[in-house]
Amino acid sequence: DIQMTQSPSSLSASVGDRLTITCRASQGIRNDLGWYQQKPGKAPKRLIYAASSLQSGVPSRFSGSGSGTEFTLTISSLQPEDFATYYCLQHSSTPWTFGQGTKVEIK
Amino acid sequence: QVQLQESGPGLVQPSQTLSLTCTVSGGSISSGGSYWSWIRQHPGKGLEWIGYIFHSGDTYYTPSLKSRVTISADMSKSQFSLKLSSVTAADTAVYYCARDYGSPWGQGTLVTVSS
Repeated sequence: DIQMTQSPSSLSASVGDRLTITCRASQGIRNDLGWYQQKPGKAPKRLIYAASSLQSGVPSRFSGSGSGTEFTLTISSLQPEDFATYYCLQHSSTPWTFGQGTKVEIK
Repeated sequence: QVQLQESGPGLVQPSQTLSLTCTVSGGSISSGGSYWSWIRQHPGKGLEWIGYIFHSGDTYYTPSLKSRVTISADMSKSQFSLKLSSVTAADTAVYYCARDYGSPWGQGTLVTVSS
């Protein structure tokens, strides 16, 4: 199985901050990776697909980059509605696997 | 746009079979190229992908659950289903259905395994 190591597991940030979350794959996964945002009590919502493509309707402050084994999700200017938990998902090979999640909290 | 909705019992007895259905609206599950997945989330924990059924009917299950899981589809009703047998308290979770690589997701349904 491909292991997805996501870091950090949590962080505190302020509105307006730039933040970066990283996922590392235990083996190369090309660009077969998505990023998801989950708010409490809600289903996850995809933000980024194919590692760097912005999902329709998602604000442009979200961006993704990377290929192979290292991937990043960047929020250029954190907004109040962005406080949530973020996950990566690799679908390069089965079983598809998620990162452990990054909880973004208000500082 | 495609929407998904899970349905099924919220309480299952230990050792019984958990059965959930995902109803797809705004699209056909037989349309080419789509994976229809089940994913679960234990209380306060991360996401675990359970498996999928492809539009062709092919299935794949995560190895840790493979011996207990069946995913099937009823194309005529635009529904796909999850059956998880011999459940224990460790199977208590919110169960989600989703299309392809998680876009979109259903709202999720909490299933509690308890007597």
